[in-house]
Amino acid sequence: NAGVMQNPRHLVRRRGQEARLRCSPMKGHSHVYWYRQLPEEGLKFMVYLQKENIIDESGMPKERFSAEFPKEGPSILRIQQVVRGDSAAYFCASSPEMRAVSGNTIYFGEGSWLTVV
Amino acid sequence: GNSVTQMEGPVTLSEEAFLTINCTYTATGYPSLFWYVQYPGEGLQLLLKATKADDKGSNKGFEATYRKETTSFHLEKGSVQVSDSAVYFCALQIQGAQKLVFGQGTRLTINP
Repeated sequence: NAGVMQNPRHLVRRRGQEARLRCSPMKGHSHVYWYRQLPEEGLKFMVYLQKENIIDESGMPKERFSAEFPKEGPSILRIQQVVRGDSAAYFCASSPEMRAVSGNTIYFGEGSWLTVV
Repeated sequence: GNSVTQMEGPVTLSEEAFLTINCTYTATGYPSLFWYVQYPGEGLQLLLKATKADDKGSNKGFEATYRKETTSFHLEKGSVQVSDSAVYFCALQIQGAQKLVFGQGTRLTINP
């Protein structure tokens, strides 16, 4: 059973270009999360999606960032007009439908490292 | 708000030493608590979790006990190995929610 698959693993973009990061959740998982990890820092929540719906985007920057999880295909995190400060590791995670009120395990992918030059 | 505070790193120990990484939290309600581990260049892997007060999570020789009275979830291991070198993240999950709130991470290096 494949885990959470992210691609590309490494992406280099020039300032002003667009970055698209893709995430395929684990089989049977319908919830996807995106986190950002800046160098030498912890993970910051960005957005939580279910199929075709954004559930919580409280951690998303107001501009240039968007996320989707269509009915078919992977989840996409899109960063328009990238700047050097966007350089970070972006982790996708997934989970199944909540089986309990608490303690539902979330599984992480190996991350996509974005470098803006 | 909900937050997690971890012991600042980096932490450097010799092989077979005893390990403690402190983690305290602030949360509304009764969260679940997790420890994740990140090896160099990789994603996060769940190490252990506890869902209610006094629960003990354990895995691969690591343990952590959910202490509601001190709002803590300290990670311990009796005898560390070089292969335990990694970054360790404490996290909480609010009851009824899915997303995780992470601490800043603690980098652990074990020397032979």
